[in-house]
Amino acid sequence: TQLLEQSPQFLSIQEGENLTVYCNSSSVFSSLQWYRQEPGEGPVLLVTVVTGGEVKKLKRLTFQFGDARKDSSLHITAAQPGDTGLYLCAGASRGSTLGRLYFGRGTQLTVWP
Amino acid sequence: EAGVAQSPRYKIIEKRQSVAFWCNPISGHATLYWYQQILGQGPKLLIQFQNNGVVDDSQLPKDRFSAERLKGVDSTLKIQPAKLEDSAVYLCASSQGLAGATQYFGPGTRLTVL
Repeated sequence: TQLLEQSPQFLSIQEGENLTVYCNSSSVFSSLQWYRQEPGEGPVLLVTVVTGGEVKKLKRLTFQFGDARKDSSLHITAAQPGDTGLYLCAGASRGSTLGRLYFGRGTQLTVWP
Repeated sequence: EAGVAQSPRYKIIEKRQSVAFWCNPISGHATLYWYQQILGQGPKLLIQFQNNGVVDDSQLPKDRFSAERLKGVDSTLKIQPAKLEDSAVYLCASSQGLAGATQYFGPGTRLTVL
């Protein structure tokens, strides 16, 4: 059973299009992180959101944490081929002092030139 | 600053054989993690060390998997004997602390069990 459900699982779009990836759970998290993973590499942290309702922007990427801290979204504006990769969300349990992360299955994004 | 190093990058073995993976974390990082990432899934934590002590191994299949971090720096993860379902990428990550600390991942070791 996945603690975090990501959708869609696959996304194939043309350069310049916008897209949104979702990360949902029935559990409340103290924080939620988004990673990007490229083939043959480990995940690289993009952002951490901590406060319910928080919105963070990283150039063309906008991250939002749900008010109830159970869900998050990643919006990419004007996607570029360099955005291609596996996008993973990961939640940190409330009350945990160990820093354990629970990862979703990921969304595989392909951006065609 | 050097990142997390892992070796080997690829390993192919037959079922019931043994295999070991090595990880060298970022210098000064006290916390070290081993994750298993099966194709099409996100990473799943196997074991977490704080210095040379285990703080979480609840998801480690202890009948076949073992890990150690004897001097609080490098770590090895061993599988003995391997099963077909162990085919996955094994990722090592390190962080300076525990909760809230950024985890930095190595490139992983891709294991194929035939």
